[in-house]
Amino acid sequence: SQQGEEDPQALSIQEGENATMNCSYKTSINNLQWYRQNSGRGLVHLILIRSNEREKHSGRLRVTLDTSKKSSSLLITASRAADTASYFCATDGATDSWGKLQFGAGTQVVVTP
Amino acid sequence: GAGVSQSPSNKVTEKGKDVELRCDPISGHTALYWYRQRLGQGLEFLIYFQGNSAPDKSGLPSDRFSAERTGESVSTLTIQRTQQEDSAVYLCASSPISGLAGEQYFGPGTRLTVT
Repeated sequence: SQQGEEDPQALSIQEGENATMNCSYKTSINNLQWYRQNSGRGLVHLILIRSNEREKHSGRLRVTLDTSKKSSSLLITASRAADTASYFCATDGATDSWGKLQFGAGTQVVVTP
Repeated sequence: GAGVSQSPSNKVTEKGKDVELRCDPISGHTALYWYRQRLGQGLEFLIYFQGNSAPDKSGLPSDRFSAERTGESVSTLTIQRTQQEDSAVYLCASSPISGLAGEQYFGPGTRLTVT
């Protein structure tokens, strides 16, 4: 079964707008990661946030983590057409999945010029 | 530098045949993972190799699936007597970190189609 669940399943925005997607998970985690996938092929790592961190930035990306609500959000600011992709959250379970990541079903983002 | 490579990039096979998928991880990465991704879905964990420890095979869906890894290098995923439901993209990833999961580096995947 999948640990993370992304919301929304699909998001369509125009260039320059911000895109926000959320991830909820069920069990305690060591860290949470966000990945991007273009055209159904290999995933690219975007950002990792540890369980003792609340917010992290990388370029136009901002990730928040609320362990009390077991949720995370990924914000892409000033979106570009090249940001069109599927975005996945992945969690490293603190107790029962040492070394493994569990991925959600993803949010499909379409950025139109 | 060289990333994770996978071969073949595409494979079409007839139902009932065996297939072998190959993954070359980044040199020096101790951890190697195989995932399956069906169309429009997330990644499904299959198997995890970590250094010289016994692999975690808990995600393999049936005994038709098996995987081997030679030391800390190449891995092969074998699917015997393929079924149509095996059609998917098979992704391999490697990581320099053993134990606590860090960033994983993904290959481009092998798209398997069983006819």
